Amino acid sequence: QVQLQESGPGLVKPSGTLFLTCAVSGVSISGTKWWSWVRQSPDKGLEWIGETYHSGTSNYNPSLKSRVTMSVDKSRRHFTLRLSSVTAADTAIYYCARGTSDDGDSTSEFDAWGQGTTVIVSS
Amino acid sequence: DVVLTQSPLSLPVTLGQPASISCRSSQSLLSSDGDTYLYWFQQRPGQSPRRLFYKVSKRDSGVPDRFSGSGSGTNFTLRISRVEAEDIGIYYCMQGTRWPPMYTFGQGTKLDIK
Repeated sequence: QVQLQESGPGLVKPSGTLFLTCAVSGVSISGTKWWSWVRQSPDKGLEWIGETYHSGTSNYNPSLKSRVTMSVDKSRRHFTLRLSSVTAADTAIYYCARGTSDDGDSTSEFDAWGQGTTVIVSS
Repeated sequence: DVVLTQSPLSLPVTLGQPASISCRSSQSLLSSDGDTYLYWFQQRPGQSPRRLFYKVSKRDSGVPDRFSGSGSGTNFTLRISRVEAEDIGIYYCMQGTRWPPMYTFGQGTKLDIK
């Protein structure tokens, strides 16, 4: 059974960098799936941040692209999100999820999510 | 950019009665590969989103068959034939485009019991 678990600081200062980790268990992180980050706030609802693949390739939401970096750490079986120059508008619950399939099999796309971690941007 | 518009945003329903949620897209979601990447999620209070359907109408295991997904092109619908108390929550549609990769969500429809 696939399990995802987010971790990271719950409080980040304005203009600082948000860094989150998503631990993956029950499935290989080096398989045919892209790994996504999604956030949820009262103002913007659910927003896809981007996705990353074990090969080192990532795709980002154009609205956040200039501030986002994602990567997969195969040895540690986790993937990460880095969001720079944060403001109060980045305050949200951040979820990691199993995303796009690279092999054309859509059966497991976005079928597994972490429990979410709340990040507050405040001084 | 693709915009998904859900309606209604609030849906009070009597137990045992049907419910229907519409999700309309600003452009056709039919992909060049012939598939339509339209998903439905349920989010119960305090929980993460749970996928109910992928590719419009493919129901996830464990999802009761009183739930159904349908539609094509720009118009999609999630139906519940008989609402039960456990169905309370917010329902979201989401679309995915393959190139460039991008996913967008509808605003959500809050279902509660009348």
